[in-house]
Amino acid sequence: DVVMTQSPLSLPVTLGQPASISCGSSQSLVYIDGNTYLNWFQQRPGQSPRRLIYKVSNRDSGVPDRFSGSGSGTDFTLKISRVEAEDVGVYYCVQGTHWPYTFGQGTKLEIK
Amino acid sequence: EVQLVQSGAEVKKPGESLKISCKTSGDSFATFWIGWVRQMPGKGLECMGIIHLRDSDTRYNPSFQGQVTISADKSISTAFLQWRGLRASDTAIYYCAGGSDFWSGPPIFWGQGTLVTVSS
Repeated sequence: DVVMTQSPLSLPVTLGQPASISCGSSQSLVYIDGNTYLNWFQQRPGQSPRRLIYKVSNRDSGVPDRFSGSGSGTDFTLKISRVEAEDVGVYYCVQGTHWPYTFGQGTKLEIK
Repeated sequence: EVQLVQSGAEVKKPGESLKISCKTSGDSFATFWIGWVRQMPGKGLECMGIIHLRDSDTRYNPSFQGQVTISADKSISTAFLQWRGLRASDTAIYYCAGGSDFWSGPPIFWGQGTLVTVSS
C-alpha cells in the first residue's frame, strides 16, 4: 500500500495566522492519465469528514479561498492563509491513484 | 440535494453478525460509488472498500477482504456493510461516502456515521 505521511501531527495556530500541513507519499501519485489524485479532507470535532481540495489544488464548492493546495509527485501541501476558529479539526490527505486508497495519519489543528 | 442516511448505533457481542446500511436519496443511485470508511476510537480514516450502486461492482481494501462484505440493493437505493463474526477490534465509527467521482469535481456526500461497539 502507498503510505501517506503527514506533518506535523499537531498544529497549534494563533487566530489570523497562516498554517501549513505537509503530506508525502511513498510512491508517485501521478496516474497513467497524467492526473494526480490527491485530496484533502477536514474533519471537525464530532462531524463527518468534508472534502476541501481535489486533484492537489482544486477547491470544492463552498470552501473558503483561504484554503489552498499545492504539490506534485510525492510531496503535497495544504495551506490556510489566515486561520479562523471554524478551522479547528483534523486534516487528512488521501491518495486515489493506487488501490487501496490510503489516508495520512491526520493533522490536528487547534487554536493557541 | 443528495443525502446519505446511515443506520443507527449498534452494540454487539464478539462473534455476532451485523449489517449496517447507508441509504441514498435523489437520483444519485444510478451513478454513485459508495465508499465505506472506518474510524477507530481516537484514530484516523481508513478506506475499507467501494461499491458502484448501479451494478454492484465492488473493490475491497486487501486489509479488509474476507473480514467484511460490501453490498448494495438498487431497489431501495441502499448500500450495506456486513460482518459475520464481530471482534472487539471492529469497534469504530463507520462512515459511508458517496459520489460519482471521489477524485474530481463532483461533490462527495457523507453519511452521519454509524458507531459500532463490540464488547462482551
